[in-house]
Amino acid sequence: EVQLVESGGGFVQSGGSLRLSCAASGFTFSSCAMIWVRQAPGKGLEWVSTISDSGGSTHYADSVRGRFAISRDNSGNTLYLQMNSLRAEDTAIYYCAKATYTTGGHFDYCGQGTLVTVSS
Amino acid sequence: EIVLTQSPATLSLSPGERATLSCRASQSISSYLAWYQQKPGQAPRLLIYDASIRATGIPARFSGSGSGTDFTLTISSLEPEDFAVYYCLQRSNWPITFGQGTRLEIK
Repeated sequence: EVQLVESGGGFVQSGGSLRLSCAASGFTFSSCAMIWVRQAPGKGLEWVSTISDSGGSTHYADSVRGRFAISRDNSGNTLYLQMNSLRAEDTAIYYCAKATYTTGGHFDYCGQGTLVTVSS
Repeated sequence: EIVLTQSPATLSLSPGERATLSCRASQSISSYLAWYQQKPGQAPRLLIYDASIRATGIPARFSGSGSGTDFTLTISSLEPEDFAVYYCLQRSNWPITFGQGTRLEIK
């Protein structure tokens, strides 16, 4: 059974930093691209970032490029999102998701999310 | 950036009725479209990918069609558990984008 468990969310002041983690199990982590998706309170889904299976390729939404960094540890089956220079508009539930292909694509499984609240 | 426009924003139907949800892309995305269902307090669930392929475990009442710029998600006969918000997603071009969602509510 695929399991994705996010952690690291919390309350932070504007301009601060947080590092999200996602522990993966139930599939061959090193063979799948991974994705972060977020959802602001009462709003729709927004793609944030994708990292390829090896970690050699990354993509970011314009809204986070230069502030967020996605990375992965294939030996520990863990995905990360380093979030710097946080803004009030980054307040959201952040979901970790397993991509369908090695380089990206859509996602087929999603964790339950971790809430990030940025106070202005 | 490819913009996905979903319609209607809200759809009010009764159990047993047929639901038709639309997703239109601002440029051709071939068949690189997925549909997700999200219930309150839950993570999104993949229903359909590559426009028409049902994901594992998804009931046959859910079907997807379309290619290019116009796509449809059809629920043939609504069950009580189908009332939720539905999103489309395109993976044709970076950045990946979602539609704004269609809320399917009980009439």
